[in-house]
Amino acid sequence: QKEVEQNSGPLSVPEGAIASLNCTYSDRVSQSFFWYRQYSGKSPELIMSIYSNGDKEDGRFTAQLNKASQYVSLLIRDSQPSDSATYLCAVSLNTGFQKLVFGTGTRLLVSP
Amino acid sequence: SAVISQKPSRDICQRGTSLTIQCQVDSQVTMMFWYRQQPGQSLTLIATANQGSEATYESGFVIDKFPISRPNLTFSTLTVSNMSPEDSSIYLCSVGQGRDEQFFGPGTRLTVL
Repeated sequence: QKEVEQNSGPLSVPEGAIASLNCTYSDRVSQSFFWYRQYSGKSPELIMSIYSNGDKEDGRFTAQLNKASQYVSLLIRDSQPSDSATYLCAVSLNTGFQKLVFGTGTRLLVSP
Repeated sequence: SAVISQKPSRDICQRGTSLTIQCQVDSQVTMMFWYRQQPGQSLTLIATANQGSEATYESGFVIDKFPISRPNLTFSTLTVSNMSPEDSSIYLCSVGQGRDEQFFGPGTRLTVL
């Protein structure tokens, strides 16, 4: 079983819609969860961190964490064509060394 | 977040040769990491590099193939040794800050012929 799983997509949404990206993880003791955005040919950029159950909002982005279900999601409101990228979910393995395990990423396409 | 630079940004190398990739950070950091991202794939951790100690390698990666140096709190190098076409990939360094957060350098795109 993969440690961090994401649907590879592509997820296609029209401009202005809400994009919903999902991620599940296998290690129950994981404590830290991250979403990275990666444009083609660029390195990953951290866009959201979440550590406790519930929602965390930052601008158009909302991260949602449910540790009981081992599920973390990212919502992008008012999606823009510039949001088109691959979104990587990453989970800390709780080793104390800040090691992260990355999912394979979901490609998001926002059409004008 | 820290500003991270990598050199070279890209290179084309012949099989059997070695390439050393440099990672420079504009502030002192304890944890540095080296990843590989093969075409169309996600990130795979190669090793964790702490200043003053030997790097810790992940399963499938060995020091003879990927020697790492960490001489101070702002710099690290990764060498890809005895390269083969299978080593063609993007190599990324990252730094750990805050609560388990990692920030990435721009990457080195390596092509081995």
